[in-house]
Amino acid sequence: GDSVTQMEGPVTLSEEAFLTINCTYTATGYPSLFWYVQYPGEGLQLLLKATKADDKGSNKGFEATYRKETTSFHLEKGSVQVSDSAVYFCALSDQGGNKLVFGAGTILRVKS
Amino acid sequence: DGGITQSPKYLFRKEGQNVTLSCEQNLNHDAMYWYRQDPGQGLRLIYYSQIVNDFQKGDIAEGYSVSREKKESFPLTVTSAQKNPTAFYLCASRTAADSYNSPLHFGNGTRLTVT
Repeated sequence: GDSVTQMEGPVTLSEEAFLTINCTYTATGYPSLFWYVQYPGEGLQLLLKATKADDKGSNKGFEATYRKETTSFHLEKGSVQVSDSAVYFCALSDQGGNKLVFGAGTILRVKS
Repeated sequence: DGGITQSPKYLFRKEGQNVTLSCEQNLNHDAMYWYRQDPGQGLRLIYYSQIVNDFQKGDIAEGYSVSREKKESFPLTVTSAQKNPTAFYLCASRTAADSYNSPLHFGNGTRLTVT
């Protein structure tokens, strides 16, 4: 079945450092891909999405490019802030479009 | 403002009791979902519903039940048959139109503790 694999955390960075969180997927066909963010004690919020190969999703300084050849959707940000500390989830929409499959999540901690 | 409301935020129950978690949305979304979140395991799908009066089992439906009598509401019952009910439960919804590309909107979750 469809699956998503994320790099294990926690990832600990200093403020203004460059961020990469790796995400690879296994799916039949061409899924839509999403990154969600979860702040402590809250639900998930959509961060960005890409619906076809080579699309780049971007929001709040975060970017991710849909790479079909490597089945990847890595999340990047050029300069992280303390307020970016959260859990980040990569997800794909299955072929039938009925549900989203999530990765295990990656904890990001940013130190001032 | 439109959104998804889950209540209560924290819920405590004794082992052997059934408990129902509330989820209401005013986004006019057709599809609704229940996920369970455990540390280090990401989100696992319990049940989902694409339309009123219809729902499907997700990956971990055993010990849970749902109903979808109204478009706005999708309550989840955690029964005494669920072996490890303590978890963070998240409700979500999305429009069915173009569902392949549409993102999920999440509530703020209910943390259930069973002792």
